[in-house]
Amino acid sequence: TQLLEQSPQFLSIQEGENLTVYCNSSSVFSSLQWYRQEPGEGPVLLVTVVTGGEVKKLKRLTFQFGDARKDSSLHITAAQPGDTGLYLCAGFKAAGNKLTFGGGTRVLVKP
Amino acid sequence: EPEVTQTPSHQVTQMGQEVILRCVPISNHLYFYWYRQILGQKVEFLVSFYNNEISEKSEIFDDQFSVERPDGSNFTLKIRSTKLEDSAMYFCASSFAVYEQYFGPGTRLTVT
Repeated sequence: TQLLEQSPQFLSIQEGENLTVYCNSSSVFSSLQWYRQEPGEGPVLLVTVVTGGEVKKLKRLTFQFGDARKDSSLHITAAQPGDTGLYLCAGFKAAGNKLTFGGGTRVLVKP
Repeated sequence: EPEVTQTPSHQVTQMGQEVILRCVPISNHLYFYWYRQILGQKVEFLVSFYNNEISEKSEIFDDQFSVERPDGSNFTLKIRSTKLEDSAMYFCASSFAVYEQYFGPGTRLTVT
């Protein structure tokens, strides 16, 4: 069974603070995706990381894929209330042609 | 920006009834998927579809489920005889490159 564990499950911070969300697995993935999901809506793709050690930046969001392609992190700098939401990581294995999702980290940024 | 669309947004049905959930994937995408999310739980893979056939399916996707691409634009999920435990959000997704999947807004299925 391929499991992706996200931590923490819930994070509450003040506007302007930094935060990091972790996504860990014992399995190697071909790629890893980060999504954001609002209540009652579908996951929205933020980024895909493919190469071990890869770092991608999307404005104030920085995504890193572990060297062994088993883990990833999402770092938000100077969080804003608009960053509030559920962040999901999802790993892809080419052999299975499917995404395996983590349980999500719910982020609350207070003004 | 192209997006995946799904209809209906909410479907209420009685146990034992058949339902068809519809999706229009992004037009140049080649791979199509269905996932579901039971309230408060993880998003779970159901089935992937490529070149007019199922390429992968999960244990959840039993004989009660089927998928079809009846024309060049639609992708459907049929549940033949719904059960209470089928109540969930069902998401359609599509991709051009296999791993970069784009999700629709979902259909909330309520089985009573």
